[in-house]
Amino acid sequence: EAQVTQNPRYLITVTGKKLTVTCSQNMNHEYMSWYRQDPGLGLRQIYYSMNVEVTDKGDVPEGYKVSRKEKRNFPLILESPSPNQTSLYFCASSLAGGASVYEQYFGPGTRLTVT
Amino acid sequence: QKEVEQNSGPLSVPEGAIASLNCTYSDRGSQSFFWYRQYSGKSPELIMSIYSNGDKEDGRFTAQLNKASQYVSLLIRDSQPSDSATYLCAVPQGGKLIFGQGTELSVKP
Repeated sequence: EAQVTQNPRYLITVTGKKLTVTCSQNMNHEYMSWYRQDPGLGLRQIYYSMNVEVTDKGDVPEGYKVSRKEKRNFPLILESPSPNQTSLYFCASSLAGGASVYEQYFGPGTRLTVT
Repeated sequence: QKEVEQNSGPLSVPEGAIASLNCTYSDRGSQSFFWYRQYSGKSPELIMSIYSNGDKEDGRFTAQLNKASQYVSLLIRDSQPSDSATYLCAVPQGGKLIFGQGTELSVKP
């Protein structure tokens, strides 16, 4: 089954404790992206990657890191989480090439709470 | 002005009616436009994309694009309770995808 998977699905952590949210896709997609979704603010892009070893900042990259060492994986790293990073996070992937990049498949989401 | 704007709703329509969802965008250079649907507690899923002025139909869904007026709309004909969801308009900006805040649609039986 073609899918984007994220782990963990739910996470409660404390301020300052480094964490990683994993994202993996089995569709051989070149483009991958991370979003956060907050009430009243909508869905905002954190980072995206056009291909292996190529990453770019989205609209809200502060406090996050990403890496793209393999085509299928795109982990999101919070080096020192803070309460304002409490949010619902989505990973997405798509084919590269023209507007196909924006026809994205989303993972199931990770609900993160930072206390 | 926000880059992509939608009325947050909720928009309530009776079953069988036409639901009309609107989106305006600020970048005159935008060339492609996307509608995603998000059920409560679920992830967004792509339902329509449109690249040229005019209408694009897919089953009960019709996307309409007017680049001169910088708006894109989504019409849902014969609305069903299963269409109740939040509809997100998305417009590319460079390699990024900018989403509107979404319009919540409620279809009443």
